[in-house]
Amino acid sequence: NAGVMQNPRHLVRRRGQEARLRCSPMKGHSHVYWYRQLPEEGLKFMVYLQKENIIDESGMPKERFSAEFPKEGPSILRIQQVVRGDSAAYFCASSPSQRGNTGELFFGEGSRLTVL
Amino acid sequence: GENVEQHPSTLSVQEGDSAVIKCTYSDSASNYFPWYKQELGKGPQLIIDIRSNVGEKKDQRIAVTLNKTAKHFSLHITETQPEDSAVYFCAAHTGANSKLTFGKGITLSVRP
Repeated sequence: NAGVMQNPRHLVRRRGQEARLRCSPMKGHSHVYWYRQLPEEGLKFMVYLQKENIIDESGMPKERFSAEFPKEGPSILRIQQVVRGDSAAYFCASSPSQRGNTGELFFGEGSRLTVL
Repeated sequence: GENVEQHPSTLSVQEGDSAVIKCTYSDSASNYFPWYKQELGKGPQLIIDIRSNVGEKKDQRIAVTLNKTAKHFSLHITETQPEDSAVYFCAAHTGANSKLTFGKGITLSVRP
């Protein structure tokens, strides 16, 4: 079984450009989570999605950030008009169930965004 | 919301010794506590977890203990090896919530 697939693994953008990060969950998983990790920091929750639905976006900045998980295709985390402070590793995780029946998340290898 | 704390931020042990990493959480409703290992440049990998209906769980050289009264849980690694060197994250999950809340992580260094 393929694990959680994220691409690109590394992305460089200039200030003001857009960044799009993609995540394909594990086969059979219908729940996707995005986390952000700054250097020397822990994993900060951003958003939780199911197919075509945003379930919890309490960790998402109100501006410039958006996420989707369409019926077909990968989940997309989109950052518009990037600033240097957006430089971080963005991790996607998937789960086969919504809540604490397992609570077990499987993480991808991350997408590392560098804003020049 | 849930708050998970990990201390200290770094831990260095001699190869073959044991390492213990402790975490505390704030929400008494939390009922699932996983531990993740993250190697440099990679994503976090689940290594062991425990649910609130048990006090201890063991898997070969690693074990996790949970004290619900005190709201803390610990990761124990015995006979440490250099390949155990990594960042370890604890997390807590509440049935009512949809996300895992992570601690800031601890960097474990195993000296050969």
